[in-house]
Amino acid sequence: DAKTTQPNSMESNEEEPVHLPCNHSTISGTDYIHWYRQLPSQGPEYVIHGLTSNVNNRMASLAIAEDRKSSTLILHRATLRDAAVYYCILRTHHGSSNTGKLIFGQGTTLQVKP
Amino acid sequence: EAQVTQNPRYLITVTGKKLTVTCSQNMNHEYMSWYRQDPGLGLRQIYYSMNVEVTDKGDVPEGYKVSRKEKRNFPLILESPSPNQTSLYFCASSLGDRDIPHEQFFGPGTRLTVL
Repeated sequence: DAKTTQPNSMESNEEEPVHLPCNHSTISGTDYIHWYRQLPSQGPEYVIHGLTSNVNNRMASLAIAEDRKSSTLILHRATLRDAAVYYCILRTHHGSSNTGKLIFGQGTTLQVKP
Repeated sequence: EAQVTQNPRYLITVTGKKLTVTCSQNMNHEYMSWYRQDPGLGLRQIYYSMNVEVTDKGDVPEGYKVSRKEKRNFPLILESPSPNQTSLYFCASSLGDRDIPHEQFFGPGTRLTVL
């Protein structure tokens, strides 16, 4: 499985944008880039995913580098409720060998200051 | 509301006393999975199920059993719990197309302590 690298922690001020980076230099052509987050005392929560093009949804935006070796999750206006561990996960489809397993690394712990 | 529910949320038990953690989803998802989360080890997959009556081992299946008799339910069974199974357990579900990595929905977690 291709590996991702994220900073251990980041800080942000409330109502400011946050850019969470992820490096995945060994990504393959069939790997999707998924982001999940885990708020304190809760289960992981899907945030966004993409393959090649930048993506937007109600929670965040995902910017994918042209060579796909890195990506950035963008929270446009951080709130205190966005304080969580953010996981960048590569997900591939291998047909019959796909276990659906999510490989969670250490993630980035985001602190949001009021 | 679309959700994955787990019961119980908290459980303290003793070594060897059989227990079942239930998981149910109301989204008609084919795929369901169990993970355990431990400090420093992250989340690891225990078992997964691609559909009714189809289950398979994940990375850490030892000491656990599962069943998938109905689409909505995927119970995790510990026949003889041991202290090393003390952990935080999460159930997840998603659409089941193997060729598209769909988003997974997670339950709120079950914190299990085995004394």
